[in-house]
Amino acid sequence: DTGVSQDPRHKITKRGQNVTFRCDPISEHNRLYWYRQTLGQGPEFLTYFQNEAQLEKSRLLSDRFSAERPKGSFSTLEIQRTEQGDSAMYLCASSALAGGSLGADTQYFGPGTRLTVL
Amino acid sequence: AQTVTQSQPEMSVQEAETVTLSCTYDTSESNYYLFWYKQPPSRQMILVIRQEAYKQQNATENRFSVNFQKAAKSFSLKISDSQLGDTAMYFCAFMTGNDMRFGAGTRLTVKP
Repeated sequence: DTGVSQDPRHKITKRGQNVTFRCDPISEHNRLYWYRQTLGQGPEFLTYFQNEAQLEKSRLLSDRFSAERPKGSFSTLEIQRTEQGDSAMYLCASSALAGGSLGADTQYFGPGTRLTVL
Repeated sequence: AQTVTQSQPEMSVQEAETVTLSCTYDTSESNYYLFWYKQPPSRQMILVIRQEAYKQQNATENRFSVNFQKAAKSFSLKISDSQLGDTAMYFCAFMTGNDMRFGAGTRLTVKP
């Protein structure tokens, strides 16, 4: 399977704990995105990487959130000192640069990591 | 700021019939992409169809087609011959540069 994968699929944690999620994009994609989706809403943009460079961050990404893509392949999203308001689905997507064989700028999504903060 | 509005929170359709989901957006950009994504219950989001703003011809993908009205900033999705597997949340999305904005979604139920 060559789609976007995310791990874990579900995470339950207690308030104040740190959590880390992983995303593996489609192998030939150099752009990677993180979104947050709450129940009944569309995804909201959090941050974006081109290769290993984090080029954009939403104001939704507080200082408790950090994302990395150290070698331009997989990415991790860490949330420190989790709060109940962090409970959501965290989606990862990847895309190729414009003109790529998989379709310029179309983002392909992973299955998401559902976070529940108790 | 770019915004995407889906005015129909929920819709239903009988199997084999046609349904149209509406989407409007607001932007000052002239070059952008529009997408419809489908998110079945407890399953991942998948691309249904995409439209480049510079193309006047409406995109089609099998039973799915769009009615893109650039001047009106409207981008509706028509699903023909609805199938039970079409039951899902449908999200309209607008992208310019690296900025992708989603609407709140329309929950579509296909009834047997």
